[in-house]
Amino acid sequence: SQQGEEDPQALSIQEGENATMNCSYKTSINNLQWYRQNSGRGLVHLILIRSNEREKHSGRLRVTLDTSKKSSSLLITASRAADTASYFCATDNKPGTASKLTFGTGTRLQVTL
Amino acid sequence: GAGVSQSPSNKVTEKGKDVELRCDPISGHTALYWYRQSLGQGLEFLIYFQGNSAPDKSGLPSDRFSAERTGGSVSTLTIQRTQQEDSAVYLCASSLASGGHTEAFFGQGTRLTVV
Repeated sequence: SQQGEEDPQALSIQEGENATMNCSYKTSINNLQWYRQNSGRGLVHLILIRSNEREKHSGRLRVTLDTSKKSSSLLITASRAADTASYFCATDNKPGTASKLTFGTGTRLQVTL
Repeated sequence: GAGVSQSPSNKVTEKGKDVELRCDPISGHTALYWYRQSLGQGLEFLIYFQGNSAPDKSGLPSDRFSAERTGGSVSTLTIQRTQQEDSAVYLCASSLASGGHTEAFFGQGTRLTVV
């Protein structure tokens, strides 16, 4: 079963616009991460936010976490065509060591020129 | 190696045959994961190895699926008597399990097609 559910399932925007994707999860977490996947192959880690953090930035990425609502959002500002990909959130719930990462269903982002 | 390596990249097999998929994790990573992804879908957890602990096999879909991790490094996922519904991309990832670092590094996957 999926721990996380992303919405929207698909998002189409124009280059230069901002893209926002949301992730909801079911159980308490230790960390929440966002990954990107191009062309249905390997995923690339984008950003990690810990359960005691509320917001984190990395370049054009901004991630928020609301543990009371069990949800997170990923904002990509000033999108580029190269941002076209699928984006997944992943959660783990075991503090102190790596634990099983459970992925959401993903958002397919299409950025057009 | 520099990253997680999976082999083969693509595998076509006949229904009923057994297949073995290999994963070479990043050296020193104690955690290793196998996931399955069907076309256009999310990642389905299969199995998780962490150091010398007993693996978490809770995601294996049937007893036709098994995995080993030898010497805490290379892992092999075996699917016996393959079925058409086993067709998917099988992704392996590894992670450095210390200080709460759970960032996973993925291989490029093995695309399995059962005909």
